[in-house]
Amino acid sequence: GAVVSQHPSRVICKSGTSVKIECRSLDFQATTMFWYRQFPKKSLMLMATSNEGSKATYEQGVEKDKFLINHASLTLSTLTVTSAHPEDSSFYICSASGALGAETYNEQFFGPGTRLTVL
Amino acid sequence: RKEVEQDPGPFNVPEGATVAFNCTYSNSASQSFFWYRQDCRKEPKLLMSVYSSGNEDGRFTAQLNRASQYISLLIRDSKLSDSATYLCAVNGAGNQGGKLIFGQGTELSVKP
Repeated sequence: GAVVSQHPSRVICKSGTSVKIECRSLDFQATTMFWYRQFPKKSLMLMATSNEGSKATYEQGVEKDKFLINHASLTLSTLTVTSAHPEDSSFYICSASGALGAETYNEQFFGPGTRLTVL
Repeated sequence: RKEVEQDPGPFNVPEGATVAFNCTYSNSASQSFFWYRQDCRKEPKLLMSVYSSGNEDGRFTAQLNRASQYISLLIRDSKLSDSATYLCAVNGAGNQGGKLIFGQGTELSVKP
């Protein structure tokens, strides 16, 4: 199966700092990566869709200047939470999809998530 | 109306019980459907893709009803280890075909 890693798994930072989260597809080329956030006992909320080499597409209500996404290669996408505040504390999860075969069309493979706590 | 809606939880069932989850979707043009399992403080893991003809994997059976726009997941002979949150996901249609839209999840608790 396809493997996606995410780093760091957990980060605690002070209010006002920026935090970068990396998402890597380890054994396949991810043409598209997705970034989600999840609050406790809530579902995954898609933040943005990222295609390699182009600008990310943000969902309504997500500030693109607040959540900077870069997808520089087919195996790496990064999410930077700029000037983080306590309300940004959440579980951030990336996923990746790619051409692994017809049976996996539209299937997304998830990273293990990053738990961000902003003090 | 939400794009993807699931049965409200939590479902508390004894070991060995059969439990069924339903999930409705609003976009009739959706083509791909999935059930994910999410354990507490972990990422979602794909449980099953849902095909038009229905599919079965051991104790798990998934079905799709396009006419009524819902998918279902049946778990037979529940185990303690089945306790988790089950999320249905439906792909966006048209130019949003790559996006997955998730339901809010249904929490299952299997008791001894």
